[in-house]
Formats: sequence, structure tokens, C-alpha cells
Amino acid sequence: GQNIDQPTEMTATEGAIVQINCTYQTSGFNGLFWYQQHAGEAPTFLSYNVLDGLEEKGRFSSFLSRSKGYSYLLLKELQMKDSASYLCAVRDSNYQLIWGAGTKLIIKP
Amino acid sequence: TAGITQAPTSQILAAGRSMTLRCTQDMRHNAMYWYRQDLGLGLRLIHYSNTAGTTGKGEVPDGYSVSRANTDDFPLTLASAVPSQTSVYFCASTGRDTGELFFGEGSRLTVL
Repeated sequence: GQNIDQPTEMTATEGAIVQINCTYQTSGFNGLFWYQQHAGEAPTFLSYNVLDGLEEKGRFSSFLSRSKGYSYLLLKELQMKDSASYLCAVRDSNYQLIWGAGTKLIIKP
Repeated sequence: TAGITQAPTSQILAAGRSMTLRCTQDMRHNAMYWYRQDLGLGLRLIHYSNTAGTTGKGEVPDGYSVSRANTDDFPLTLASAVPSQTSVYFCASTGRDTGELFFGEGSRLTVL
């Protein structure tokens, strides 16, 4: 079966750095996405990785290792507004998205 | 820009009643999707449409139907609602390049 694993919840301090991991087992691979979802709102796109390595976008970076079936989202200089759920999703060989259950990130002052 | 508009934003429905959730996009995207989101679970695909006039079943299609008469509209119908269909429903469309999904604001449905 296809599976996406990510931690259910993480806590971090304002101004710090946090890494949210995602491991996947899917039928083929055609890209990995990270989305941010604030409580009661729709998911919004953060990043897309299809090749191995690090993609940096401001305070957020996303890393991919296809051989390990592993990705992480790195958030730097955490702000209170970063409190949200972070969703990992993999596009499989049929170009269907498989979603993780999301990681709820709690930022403390 | 409106993007994707869903209606209603929230609805309480008696079991056995029918309901249509509306979804309209103004981005001229070909592909559209309906997902449900339940606590502790990832987004689950109900139905999708790759282009106007075509639809397909996702992971959890039972009890739901869709139509795609034109590019902009993709309504989701529950013919006879059951309590297990209590969920938050998101409509989404795909941008062409990376496949990034654009989501509507969601429709919270409670079936009693």
C-alpha cells in the first residue's frame, strides 16, 4: 500500500528553527509537495521537490532524498503566525496525490 | 482575484437528505478535485475531473457524484446523506506547471 508518515504534533519556540520530517512509500514518484494549513482554513502551497536536494524559499526550505523516501521542511526564524498544520503529499506514478495526515506545529513565545 | 469559490461554507443536514456542494473557479484550470478532510487523516480524494466533460473516481467515491459540464464548475452531490459524511470538503484545481493545487475555502458539512 501507499503511505505517508509525518509526526502528528511538534512544538517549537518563537525565533528558533524546526524541521518537520516526512517519509513515504508510494507506487512511483512524480514529486513531493508541502502545504501549510492554518486552523479552519484551506491548505496553501509551500514547496515542490522533484529532484534530490534542498529548495530554499525565504524562511522555508524543503529537502528531498528519493533513494531514502524522505523529505523535510525546515522553518527558520519561527514566528507565531507559523503555528499551523504542515501537510506532506507525494504524487505517485498515476499522478495522483497521496497525502500525509499533517503535522500540527505549535509555536510558543 | 476570486480563485476557487465554494458554497455553502457550512451546512447542517438531516440524514437521508440530498445536498449539492458548489465549486466554481475562474483560473481556467482543466483539472479539478473534491477532497474530504477528517481529523487525524490525510486529505482523501472523492472525485476528480481532468477536463470538462470527464470525471473519475478517487479513493472514497461511494455516496458522492460529480459533474463537469464546463471548465469553471464542479459540483459535488450527496444523494442521500449519512452521518459518516460529516466532514470538511475542499474543492481544488491544478495549476499546469508543477501540479500545485489551489484550494477553495472549504465547506463544513454536518449530517445528523
